[in-house]
Amino acid sequence: RVTLRESGPALVKPTQTLTLTCTFSGFSLSTSGMSVNWIRQPPGKALEWLARIDWDDDKYYSTSLKTRLTISKDTSKNQVVLTMTNMDPVDTATYYCARSTTVTMDMDVWGEGTTVTVSS
Amino acid sequence: DIQLTQSPSSLSASLGDRVTITCRASQGIGSSWLAWYQQKPEKAPEPLIYAASTLQSGVPTRFSGSGSGKEFTLTISSLQPEDSATYYCQQYNSYPFTFGGGTKVEI
Repeated sequence: RVTLRESGPALVKPTQTLTLTCTFSGFSLSTSGMSVNWIRQPPGKALEWLARIDWDDDKYYSTSLKTRLTISKDTSKNQVVLTMTNMDPVDTATYYCARSTTVTMDMDVWGEGTTVTVSS
Repeated sequence: DIQLTQSPSSLSASLGDRVTITCRASQGIGSSWLAWYQQKPEKAPEPLIYAASTLQSGVPTRFSGSGSGKEFTLTISSLQPEDSATYYCQQYNSYPFTFGGGTKVEI
C-alpha cells in the first residue's frame, strides 16, 4: 500500500525558511516513472501546485514561486524535502505531497497534509 | 502557464440529479492530460479521473469525464449524498501544472 506523510513546523515567522518533509512508503523514487509533487491550499481557497521531483532527479517548479522553492530527494530514506524561503503570511496553507507515476500521470496518492501558519 | 477556469464555482442539486462541471483551459491540452479530484472538508483531495475520461480504480461509475483540447467536463450521473464535495480539475500537459478554481457541490 502506498502512503505519504508530510511533516514540518506548524508555525513559522515571516522571512524565515520553511522546510517540509514528505516521507513515503510502498514505492521507491529510484524506480523509473515515479515522481513526488508538492501542492498547497490556503484556508478556503483552491489547490496550488508547487513543485515536482522525478525518479531521475528532474525538478519542476511553480512559475510564481520558483525563486523561493527547492525540492530534493533522499532515496535511501524514502523522503522528499521542500524548502520555501522568505515566508510571508500569505503562505499560510495546508501543504500536501502526492505521488505521480507514468502509468496514470495524475497525482494518484496524497498525504493527509500539514498545516503551516506564518505569523510573528 | 495554462489557466484552468471551472464553472460553475458552486452548485446546489438534489439527490439523483445529473450534475455537470466544466473546466476550460487557456491553451489546448494535448493528449487530454487532464485530471479531476474530489475534496471533502478537512480532507486531502482524492483522484477521480485521469487522461480526461479514465476512472481511477474504485471510483463509482456514476462519475464520468469527457472533453479534449480546451474544454473538459466532469459529470455525476445520479447525485448521491456522499458526492457533496469540492471538485478540481488539473492539467499535467505542461509545466507548471495548474489546478482549476474548484466547484463546490452541495446537496
